[in-house]
Amino acid sequence: AQTVTQSQPEMSVQEAETVTLSCTYDTSESDYYLFWYKQPPSRQMILVIRQEAYKQQNATENRFSVNFQKAAKSFSLKISDSQLGDAAMYFCAYRSFNYGGSQGNLIFGKGTKLSVKP
Amino acid sequence: DSGVTQTPKHLITATGQRVTLRCSPRSGDLSVYWYQQSLDQGLQFLIQYYNGEERAKGNILERFSAQQFPDLHSELNLSSLELGDSALYFCASSPGGGGAMETQYFGPGTRLLVL
Repeated sequence: AQTVTQSQPEMSVQEAETVTLSCTYDTSESDYYLFWYKQPPSRQMILVIRQEAYKQQNATENRFSVNFQKAAKSFSLKISDSQLGDAAMYFCAYRSFNYGGSQGNLIFGKGTKLSVKP
Repeated sequence: DSGVTQTPKHLITATGQRVTLRCSPRSGDLSVYWYQQSLDQGLQFLIQYYNGEERAKGNILERFSAQQFPDLHSELNLSSLELGDSALYFCASSPGGGGAMETQYFGPGTRLLVL
């Protein structure tokens, strides 16, 4: 079974600085998708960025980018020019390419709580 | 606002009781997913329905059941509630059958407290 590990329970960053959140995963599959979701205090789960495993190019969405290392099974999230509104729980998630059963749906890490200092 | 709605927002009940959580997916979305977020277990996938049919099953207890109705809204029924069932229950929806590349859009969640 696939697992997702986020080794940093909490992180802190100064406003306007850059922070990197770590995520590693374990899988025997070659095709899959990886996601970062943000959960602000409102508890709403918001998709931040998505990466297809077959793509070598790292995904980027405005101030958010990933460093995807397939061989190392690593998928870190970099937030540039951090803003107060970035303060939230960040969850890394894995999704198998083969849906059905329990494998086709999102498998989440435990999350990293990001604080942004003014 | 994701377009996914969940009711109620909060629910307080007693052990042994039964509750029903409701979810309306985004307009046009055919798949509905249920997730449970608790302090000890984290975020776990429970079950997925696609166009009225069960498509995938995760770590859902036998005391829990779900269904998706012809208008595509879904209900999650939790029975014989235990203290450990206290959690935030999310519903998510996606346009199709749940292919891996589909984005799941999450609702605001229902916070359940079992006393």
